[in-house]
Amino acid sequence: DVKVTQSSRYLVKRTGEKVFLECVQDMDHENMFWYRQDPGLGLRLIYFSYDVKMKEKGDIPEGYSVSREKKERFSLILESASTNQTSMYLCASSFYRAQGYTFGSGTRLTVV
Amino acid sequence: GENVEQHPSTLSVQEGDSAVIKCTYSDSASNYFPWYKQELGKRPQLIIDIRSNVGEKKDQRIAVTLNKTAKHFSLHITETQPEDSAVYFCAAKGRRSQGNLIFGKGTKLSVKP
Repeated sequence: DVKVTQSSRYLVKRTGEKVFLECVQDMDHENMFWYRQDPGLGLRLIYFSYDVKMKEKGDIPEGYSVSREKKERFSLILESASTNQTSMYLCASSFYRAQGYTFGSGTRLTVV
Repeated sequence: GENVEQHPSTLSVQEGDSAVIKCTYSDSASNYFPWYKQELGKRPQLIIDIRSNVGEKKDQRIAVTLNKTAKHFSLHITETQPEDSAVYFCAAKGRRSQGNLIFGKGTKLSVKP
């Protein structure tokens, strides 16, 4: 029944490491999103993609990049992890111009 | 900029009571308003949504109301049960044409048996 899969539930990385968070969906959705969830701050949009090789910055893109080489896969990259990137990362997908999201289970990243 | 404000941030009710969570949005062009429920350690899941051409929508014990003039919408849960305990997020469709959502900061609902 799982339709949006994030590769890791928990990750611990060191400051300065390059980190890859992977998200795969099997619903043929055009849109894919990466959000960051922090207590008291809710869900904040990092990046999204509306087609293969297309991407657009969200509200907090600094320190992150993304890759979408295939329709079903959307990767979030932390070029040089920092402690302030410790957070829960949620991937979501939706049909183009449709409005309901399906979320993944999240990846809790700790940067030490 | 686009913004969705959600209140209260925490809400505690007795089992069987009603719970109401309120949100306001800034963009008058928003036309879609979903609500998500996130249980502890789980992913957010869509529980109900409403479009701007409708004023109210119900699904069993859950209802959502929308006041476009005032730019606010509310989630109503009646006859609350302990399994309703979760964090609830409201959202409004943003201006980006591809369908991004702007989320409120969430309400932690606790239903005491």
